[in-house]
Amino acid sequence: AQSVAQPEDQVNVAEGNPLTVKCTYSVSGNPYLFWYVQYPNRGLQFLLKYITGDNLVKGSYGFEAEFNKSQTSFHLKKPSALVSDSALYFCAVRNGGSQGNLIFGKGTKLSVKP
Amino acid sequence: DSGVTQTPKHLITATGQRVTLRCSPRSGDLSVYWYQQSLDQGLQFLIHYYNGEERAKGNILERFSAQQFPDLHSELNLSSLELGDSALYFCASSASVISGEQFTQYFGPGTRLTVL
Repeated sequence: AQSVAQPEDQVNVAEGNPLTVKCTYSVSGNPYLFWYVQYPNRGLQFLLKYITGDNLVKGSYGFEAEFNKSQTSFHLKKPSALVSDSALYFCAVRNGGSQGNLIFGKGTKLSVKP
Repeated sequence: DSGVTQTPKHLITATGQRVTLRCSPRSGDLSVYWYQQSLDQGLQFLIHYYNGEERAKGNILERFSAQQFPDLHSELNLSSLELGDSALYFCASSASVISGEQFTQYFGPGTRLTVL
């Protein structure tokens, strides 16, 4: 069965510092991996995805993610954090092909302090 | 704005009642997915419709049902409501396989259901 794990419930970063939010996956076949962000009382916003190709994927708002097949990881990164990046981040994997549902991790709360 | 709309934004009802949540996908998207977000269960997939046909079921209770209409909007019906059904319900849509843009799901703002 497909699954993703986010090992950190919360990540604290100072504004201006680089941030990393971790995600590992377990899939059979090729993984279709995603990152979404959820601000309080809002829906999920798509940040980026890995389908195939370059291991470094660039997304919205300056975020990027690195796909690492040997470590089965898909960590979300940003070179310089902003206070406005504070939110709940979800890693997800597509279940059973390009049209399957998403299977989400438990989410990581990112807190960026000024 | 993702282009996916959901109504109502908030719904407060009593145990034993029935409610209907509505979702309009992005223009041209054929797939609609329903998810439930709760504190204890996280984000859980409920059901997937593609062009009016049910494609997959997840952790959807028998008290819940859904459908997708010819205009592609979808409704999620929740009946015999229990306190534990209180949650945020999201729908998401994605494009058809033919478009080549089928991989990404775009989420609506959600409907917050409170069962008292």
